[in-house]
Amino acid sequence: AQTVTQSQPEMSVQEAETVTLSCTYDTSESDYYLFWYKQPPSRQMILVIRQEAYKQQNATENRFSVNFQKAAKSFSLKISDSQLGDAAMYFCAYRRNFGNEKLTFGTGTRLTIIP
Amino acid sequence: NAGVTQTPKFQVLKTGQSMTLQCAQDMNHNSMYWYRQDPGMGLRLIYYSASEGTTDKGEVPNGYNVSRLNKREFSLRLESAAPSQTSVYFCASSERDRAGTEAFFGQGTRLTVV
Repeated sequence: AQTVTQSQPEMSVQEAETVTLSCTYDTSESDYYLFWYKQPPSRQMILVIRQEAYKQQNATENRFSVNFQKAAKSFSLKISDSQLGDAAMYFCAYRRNFGNEKLTFGTGTRLTIIP
Repeated sequence: NAGVTQTPKFQVLKTGQSMTLQCAQDMNHNSMYWYRQDPGMGLRLIYYSASEGTTDKGEVPNGYNVSRLNKREFSLRLESAAPSQTSVYFCASSERDRAGTEAFFGQGTRLTVV
């Protein structure tokens, strides 16, 4: 079974600085997707960024980028120019690229932004 | 376009009571899911449904039942609530044949069993 590990329960960063959240996963598959979801205090789950395993280029969405290391099974999220609105729980998730396969989540990292 | 709608948003039950959490999506998605979120444990899959008329157990199905009433609706039932079922419950949906597309989540239901 696939597992997703987030080893940092909590992180904090000064506003306008850069922070990196770690995620590792275990799978025997070669074709899959990885996601980072953000959960602010409102509880809403919001997709931040996604990465297809077959794409070597790291995904980027504005201030959010990933460092995808397929051989190491590592998928970290970098947030640049951190803003107060970035404060949230961040979940890493894995999904095998087979139709209706469900998302497997990590345990989350709570990110605090220090003004 | 409402996306995924869950009701209720909050609920308090006494041990042994039953209740049904409702979920509906208006995106014409085939796949629907129920997750529970507990502190330090992330989101764990309870049940999922690949299409109307089919359901499958996830990681933590004990104590729950589900019904995929039609393509839009997927309900979760607690027949005899226990304090261990105190959690935040999320319904989600996604397009079955497009694994790279995101799953859309409802706002969650905070359930407390006393």
